[in-house]
Amino acid sequence: DAGVIQSPRHEVTEMGQEVTLRCKPISGHNSLFWYRQTMMRGLELLIYFNNNVPIDDSGMPEDRFSAKMPNASFSTLKIQPSEPRDSAVYFCASSATNEQFFGPGTRLTVL
Amino acid sequence: AQSVTQLGSHVSVSEGALVLLRCNYSSSVPPYLFWYVQYPNQGLQLLLKYTTGATLVKGINGFEAEFKKSETSFHLTKPSAHMSDAAEYFCAVSDLADKLIFGTGTRLQVFP
Repeated sequence: DAGVIQSPRHEVTEMGQEVTLRCKPISGHNSLFWYRQTMMRGLELLIYFNNNVPIDDSGMPEDRFSAKMPNASFSTLKIQPSEPRDSAVYFCASSATNEQFFGPGTRLTVL
Repeated sequence: AQSVTQLGSHVSVSEGALVLLRCNYSSSVPPYLFWYVQYPNQGLQLLLKYTTGATLVKGINGFEAEFKKSETSFHLTKPSAHMSDAAEYFCAVSDLADKLIFGTGTRLQVFP
């Protein structure tokens, strides 16, 4: 198995632009998680899905952030409009039981 | 509600020395406990986990951790540090659901 796949690996954009991060979970995993990691705030859970349904989005910082999971093999995290304080590494993880498998992350820089 | 406290944001050891990374948890239900490692510019990788059964858990790369309910601790140890162990280590706790609560991480430095 290729593991959790995230794209792009790096994204540089300008303030105000829309950013879409993509994730392909491990086949057969029924839970998917989006995290954000920064030096100041550490690792934060943004949202997680179970069987493609959002279960807990309490970590989504504001309405500029949205996440979708249209099917079991694909999820997106969108930021519109982006701001410099959104600069971080965004991780996607998936699980079938209680063990989460992390993707390599997307490093987002908003200028 | 679950929470995790990792004591010491930075730990430095000499190569060959004992590694001890501390983790204390709070949970209202029997916890599942995890240690993850993150190497530079990579995602998190599971080192070991405790769910039920034996309280001493062995993981990859020679690491182990012991679940101590009376102390609400799950400290990570390795008898002899290697240069390749330099990384950031995260302790996490979950209830019976999938959601993990992570600690703030401990950066391990290994000196020759």
